[in-house]
Amino acid sequence: QQQVKQSPQSLIVQKGGISIINCAYENTAFDYFPWYQQFPGKGPALLIAIRPDVSEKKEGRFTISFNKSAKQFSLHIMDSQPGDSATYFCAAANSGTYKYIFGTGTRLKVLA
Amino acid sequence: EAGVAQSPRYKIIEKRQSVAFWCNPISGHATLYWYQQILGQGPKLLIQFQNNGVVDDSQLPKDRFSAERLKGVDSTLKIQPAKLEDSAVYLCASSVNQLWGGLNTEAFFGQGTRLTVV
Repeated sequence: QQQVKQSPQSLIVQKGGISIINCAYENTAFDYFPWYQQFPGKGPALLIAIRPDVSEKKEGRFTISFNKSAKQFSLHIMDSQPGDSATYFCAAANSGTYKYIFGTGTRLKVLA
Repeated sequence: EAGVAQSPRYKIIEKRQSVAFWCNPISGHATLYWYQQILGQGPKLLIQFQNNGVVDDSQLPKDRFSAERLKGVDSTLKIQPAKLEDSAVYLCASSVNQLWGGLNTEAFFGQGTRLTVV
C-alpha cells in the first residue's frame, strides 16, 4: 500500500515532442504528489508538485495531470528539449508524516 | 541559500568494514531524511528525523545501520559491517515542514555519497 508504481522505465522522445510519464498509488492517505528531476551525479530536485484538490497544474512546459478516483497522476513535458534528458521520479507523501515514497524512476532521453 | 551538504562524495570499502556519512541540512530545516538509492531504482527512505527525534526508521536495517542527529542539526549515518548489497548512493534531504500546505513541504536533496562495497 505504500508503493508508488511508475512507468515507463525509459523513454526516448524527439526534440519538440511530448514526454509522458505515469504514476499510480494505492494509499488514499497520500495528499501531496511531487515530481523530481535527477541529473547524473546530482541529487533529485523538485520540478513540480500537485495536491489532490486540483486535477491539473502547469508550470512552463511541465504539467501534472491528477486523477483522484483512479489514483493516478502523470507528468507531461511539452516541447521536450535535449536539456530535459534526465531521470524523473514521481513521489507521494502524507501531510501527517511528511514521509516521501518514490517511484522507480523514468530515464528520459530527448534526441536533438 | 546554501544547499544540503554531504560528505564524502565517494567511498570505496571492503565488505565487513565500517563507514560513516555526514549531512548538514539547510539551516532552519526541522526534518532530515536519509535515503538509499540503488542504481536504477528510486530513493528508498531509511530514516526520518524531526528535529533530533526519529519519526520513522521502519526500513533501516538496524543490525548494521545507525543514524543520529545530535542537537537537531547535522546528522551521521553509519554502516557496520558493510555488505556488498549496501553499494548505493546515500542521499540526505531536508525540509522545513513546519507549515504543511505551503511551499515548506519541499524536500531539498544533497548530491549524495556514492558507496561501493567490494
